[in-house]
Amino acid sequence: EDQVTQSPEALRLQEGESSSLNCSYTVSGLRGLFWYRQDPGKGPEFLFTLYSAGEEKEKERLKATLTKKESFLHITAPKPEDSATYLCAVHGQGAQKLVFGQGTRLTINP
Amino acid sequence: DAGVIQSPRHEVTEMGQEVTLRCKPISGHNSLFWYRQTMMRGLELLIYFNNNVPIDDSGMPEDRFSAKMPNASFSTLKIQPSEPRDSAVYFCASSPARELTEAFFGQGTRLTVV
Repeated sequence: EDQVTQSPEALRLQEGESSSLNCSYTVSGLRGLFWYRQDPGKGPEFLFTLYSAGEEKEKERLKATLTKKESFLHITAPKPEDSATYLCAVHGQGAQKLVFGQGTRLTINP
Repeated sequence: DAGVIQSPRHEVTEMGQEVTLRCKPISGHNSLFWYRQTMMRGLELLIYFNNNVPIDDSGMPEDRFSAKMPNASFSTLKIQPSEPRDSAVYFCASSPARELTEAFFGQGTRLTVV
């Protein structure tokens, strides 16, 4: 069964303090790894899809990377508006569904 | 485009009552997903449609849950009878491709069963 574990559960940073969020996964043949952002009271918002180890994608202050066992979401010089819950999900072979992790709740203090 | 539209945004109902949640996917998207989110279990896929046909309903918790997609622009998730443990936020999402590429989520329906 496909599994996703995200760490830490919660992370509090000062504005400008760079850090990384971790997504560890076990899947029978990775077809895609997805990162989403979720603000309170809203639905998840798509950020990135990664398909193979070594792949990287960037968007503003966020960069997602992928290895065969985990993905990192690096946040550089974050701002308070980056505060949100970040969700990781995997799509495995033979499974027409995304399996989500529990998320990392990120708070950026001004 | 207005995005995925769900209604109602909030629903409070008594145990045993029937609840119907509604979703309008993004025009042109041919895949639709229903998810449930709770603090304990996170985001779980309940059912997935492609071209209005249910493809995978293995996440539907039990027979009290049913979902339909009568046309490309409308889907419903029904719970009958509802129970307090069904309380959660229910999300509808749509995707432009048959393969699971990025999915666009609605704002969700917060269901409380008392």
